[in-house]
Amino acid sequence: GAVVSQHPSWVICKSGTSVKIECRSLDFQATTMFWYRQFPKQSLMLMATSNEGSKATYEQGVEKDKFLINHASLTLSTLTVTSAHPEDSSFYICSAEGQLNGYTFGSGTRLTVV
Amino acid sequence: RKEVEQDPGPFNVPEGATVAFNCTYSNSASQSFFWYRQDCRKEPKLLMSVYSSGNEDGRFTAQLNRASQYISLLIRDSKLSDSATYLCVVEYSSASKIIFGSGTRLSIRP
Repeated sequence: GAVVSQHPSWVICKSGTSVKIECRSLDFQATTMFWYRQFPKQSLMLMATSNEGSKATYEQGVEKDKFLINHASLTLSTLTVTSAHPEDSSFYICSAEGQLNGYTFGSGTRLTVV
Repeated sequence: RKEVEQDPGPFNVPEGATVAFNCTYSNSASQSFFWYRQDCRKEPKLLMSVYSSGNEDGRFTAQLNRASQYISLLIRDSKLSDSATYLCVVEYSSASKIIFGSGTRLSIRP
């Protein structure tokens, strides 16, 4: 079945640094990738939608300059949290949409900013 | 008003019980509907799609009511392993995005 690999699975970083999260579709081409954030005991909140080769579409309230999304190929999308602060600590999950596969989720990245 | 709304629960029911969740959505342009299951600290996993005619998968039954804009999930003969958070998901194909409900926590007790 369709597999999406997300790395790292967890990361701890210092406040002010940047963190890059990768999301790869291993056995299919993802026409669209989605990035979600989930705070404890809350549901997934869509942050942005990216299509290969074009700029990401950000949801209202999500700072595009803080959460940089690059979708350079049909199998890779990256989310970079720039100048991270403790309030950015969260569980970040990517989801890839393939033409035939529906939506497949990565395993998530738990980010802790100290 | 949230685009997709669910009762957060928690629902605490004994093993073997039948439990049902509802989910309402606000955008009539919604085209596809799903139920996902999420275990603690894990990614969501697709439980089942929801079709207009209603569909069943073992102990799980999903139904869609477009007129009232809600979907439901029924779990029969609940097992301890059914304990999880159940997420209602609505897809807007025109915008190519999916929106999650806040999730309903289910806890099955022995």
